[in-house]
Amino acid sequence: DIQMTQSPSTLSASVGDRVTITCRASQSISSWLAWYQQKPGKAPKLLIYKASSLESGVPSRFSGSGSGTEFTLTISSLQPDDFATYYCQQYNSYSLTFGGGTKVEIK
Amino acid sequence: QVQLQESGPGLVKPSETLSLTCTVSGGSISSYYWSWIRQPPGKGLEWIGYIYYSGSTNYNPSLKSRVTISVDTSKNQFSLKLSSVTAADTAVYYCARTTVVNYMDVWGKGTTVTVSS
Repeated sequence: DIQMTQSPSTLSASVGDRVTITCRASQSISSWLAWYQQKPGKAPKLLIYKASSLESGVPSRFSGSGSGTEFTLTISSLQPDDFATYYCQQYNSYSLTFGGGTKVEIK
Repeated sequence: QVQLQESGPGLVKPSETLSLTCTVSGGSISSYYWSWIRQPPGKGLEWIGYIYYSGSTNYNPSLKSRVTISVDTSKNQFSLKLSSVTAADTAVYYCARTTVVNYMDVWGKGTTVTVSS
């Protein structure tokens, strides 16, 4: 299986901050990476696919970048609705795997 | 728009088989893959497996020996069976529409399954 490692596991930030979350793959996955946002008690929501493509309806303050083994999710100006846990997922191999998650907390 | 709804028992006894169904509404089950994903309490997401509407399947190697996913296109439903469950299988189980390149773009709300005697 391809292992996905996210950092940090927890991030404390304030409204208006620029936030960056990193996801590293144990082997190259080209650009086959998605990012999801999950709020407590809710299902995950797709934000980004193919590393940098914004899902329809997702605010433009979210952006993704990277290829190969290193990827980032950036929130350009953190909003109150963005406090949540974020997961990356690789779909390069037939066995799909998620990162361990990054919780974005209020500072 | 497409909506997914999980259903099934919320409590399963150890060693028995967990059975869940996902009903797809607002769209056809055809031309997509359909996944099951789970999330133990306080933990991250684990992909269980997916099925194509034609019936072909792909399972997480760590669960493959215990998992069966099936589809009923006439009912616009797909189902999960997980055998020989233990307390470690206690989780919120989600169904999700999965694109042809295998990311999940529409999710159900999830259903909690507890394994306990």
